[in-house]
Amino acid sequence: KNEVEQSPQNLTAQEGEFITINCSYSVGISALHWLQQHPGGGIVSLFMLSSGKKKHGRLIATINIQEKHSSLHITASHPRDSAVYICARWTGGFKTIFGAGTRLFVKA
Amino acid sequence: EADIYQTPRYLVIGTGKKITLECSQTMGHDKMYWYQQDPGMELHLIHYSYGVNSTEKGDLSSESTVSRIRTEHFPLTLESARPSHTSQYLCASSPGQGWYGYTFGSGTRLTVV
Repeated sequence: KNEVEQSPQNLTAQEGEFITINCSYSVGISALHWLQQHPGGGIVSLFMLSSGKKKHGRLIATINIQEKHSSLHITASHPRDSAVYICARWTGGFKTIFGAGTRLFVKA
Repeated sequence: EADIYQTPRYLVIGTGKKITLECSQTMGHDKMYWYQQDPGMELHLIHYSYGVNSTEKGDLSSESTVSRIRTEHFPLTLESARPSHTSQYLCASSPGQGWYGYTFGSGTRLTVV
């Protein structure tokens, strides 16, 4: 069992919909990272957070340390948002644990 | 524009061949990593480096080796490729102390036939 669990595994949405992707982890963290992986394979960093909420454009990431849970929200989704969204937790040192990702497809 | 570069982007090679996957970064980051990712699966750390002449194996057992002779360069070598090595290999880097997240390369998709 992965120490980082994401849900849903797959998500299909209509353009314009509000999207939520969830990430739960079983061990306390120092920081949590949200990443975006496009079909070509490249990975882009979206957010790093250890508390509260961060916003960048149409993307919002929140984290609840007590509940060991983070969410990534996409407002007014667009087909170009189609990608795999990965959360990863860091507890110190060199080790980062990655979730398996949520595959998002946004239909026009 | 990417500041971490991986070559080749795609590689198909026969069993038994020796291959080197290249990774270079221009950000002066001390820490560099190699991850392996099978389709639809999570990333697994196979090697990491804290700096020049410092390399360690990661969590996932791997028959590959790495070297870090220069800060910017972190190549991964497979002495004898096997079909079980077919996967995507992603290189990443991060700056010095603490954790500031990663910058990833575009990856190398390796197929061993």
